[in-house]
This record gives sequence, structure tokens and C-alpha cells, in this order.
Amino acid sequence: DGGITQSPKYLFRKEGQNVTLSCEQNLNHDAMYWYRQDPGQGLRLIYYSQIVNDFQKGDIAEGYSVSREKKESFPLTVTSAQKNPTAFYLCASSQGSGLEQFFGPGTRLTVL
Amino acid sequence: QKEVEQNSGPLSVPEGAIASLNCTYSDRGSQSFFWYRQYSGKSPELIMSIYSNGDKEDGRFTAQLNKASQYVSLLIRDSQPSDSATYLCAPEGNGNNRLAFGKGNQVVVIP
Repeated sequence: DGGITQSPKYLFRKEGQNVTLSCEQNLNHDAMYWYRQDPGQGLRLIYYSQIVNDFQKGDIAEGYSVSREKKESFPLTVTSAQKNPTAFYLCASSQGSGLEQFFGPGTRLTVL
Repeated sequence: QKEVEQNSGPLSVPEGAIASLNCTYSDRGSQSFFWYRQYSGKSPELIMSIYSNGDKEDGRFTAQLNKASQYVSLLIRDSQPSDSATYLCAPEGNGNNRLAFGKGNQVVVIP
């Protein structure tokens, strides 16, 4: 059963803590993406990776970090430097440039 | 100038009617265009992709693309209560493998 999984579904973080959000896909897609969605806003791109061991900053990369050591995995770390991290985080993947992106179920992060 | 603009305000349509959603984009180099449906609290789900000028139909959905006018639309025929959701327009940048998302159109289908 192919798809994209994200964990955890809900995450609570204290101020000053780093947290890592997991994203795994078994679609054999080359490209993976991380987006952030705030209430009433469109999706904003944090980081993306078109190939293993390579990734690029999106529009709002400050305070976030990623790695792409395996094709199927693209974890996102929200660091303490991210000033307003409470949001809905969405991971997506695609076969390549110009092709459809498919989304995982998302992780809802709340900073306490 | 915003990259992707969608109609403001929720769109209320009676059950069985046509819902019409519009989207304009600023990147003239965009070649691929996608419509996603997002239910409240859920992740976006791809419902249509369109790459060439003209119409593309898939079931009750029709996407229309006019690259010269930088305009893409989505029609939902025979609207059902299950179509009540937010619809996101997402053109791809000029071959850069990045999607630009609009804020979305909320559709409410009234039984």
C-alpha cells in the first residue's frame, strides 16, 4: 500500500526545544517537500529535496533544518530559533519536476 | 504582487448546482497547474492537474487553463455536500519543481 506517512500526528513542544518531524514515502518518488500551513493561509514551502543528499531552502527556511540521507525519508527539525513554530506541517513527494505532488496526513505542532 | 490569487470569501452553492472557482497567477513561465481539495483539519488531496490550454474533464470536475491570460479555473458540476471544502490552486514555477499555493477558495454546498 503506497503512500506518505508523517509522525507524530500531534506534537507539543516547550519553548526552547528542538523537535523532529518524520516523513516517509514508499512511492519511489525522487522529490520531497516540507510545507507549513497557518490558519487562513496558503501553504508555504520550507525546504525541498530533488535527490538524495541534496536539498534547497524554500521561502521560509529560517529556524528549520532537514536531511535527505535516504530516498524514502525527509525529516524536518524545528529548532528553537523558529520564533513562531505553532502550525500544521505537511510533507509531500513527487516523481519529478512538473509532476503532481502528493501529501502526507500532516503533523500539527503546538508550542506550549 | 501576489503569486497566486483566488476569489475571496466562501462560495455557497445549492446542492446540484455548479461551483466555479477562479485563480490567477503571476509567473508567466508556469507550465503545470494543480487543484487540491482540503477538508478542514486534513491534508490537501490532488483532484486535477492541467498542462495545456483548454479544458480537462474528470468526472464532475473540469479544469480550464488560459496561459495567455494567466488564468486557471475549476468547475464542480452537480455539487454535493461532500464537495464542501477549501480548494487550493497551485501552479508550478517555471520548471523549478516548486508549487506556489493560493490561500484557497472555501466552498459550502447547501443541501
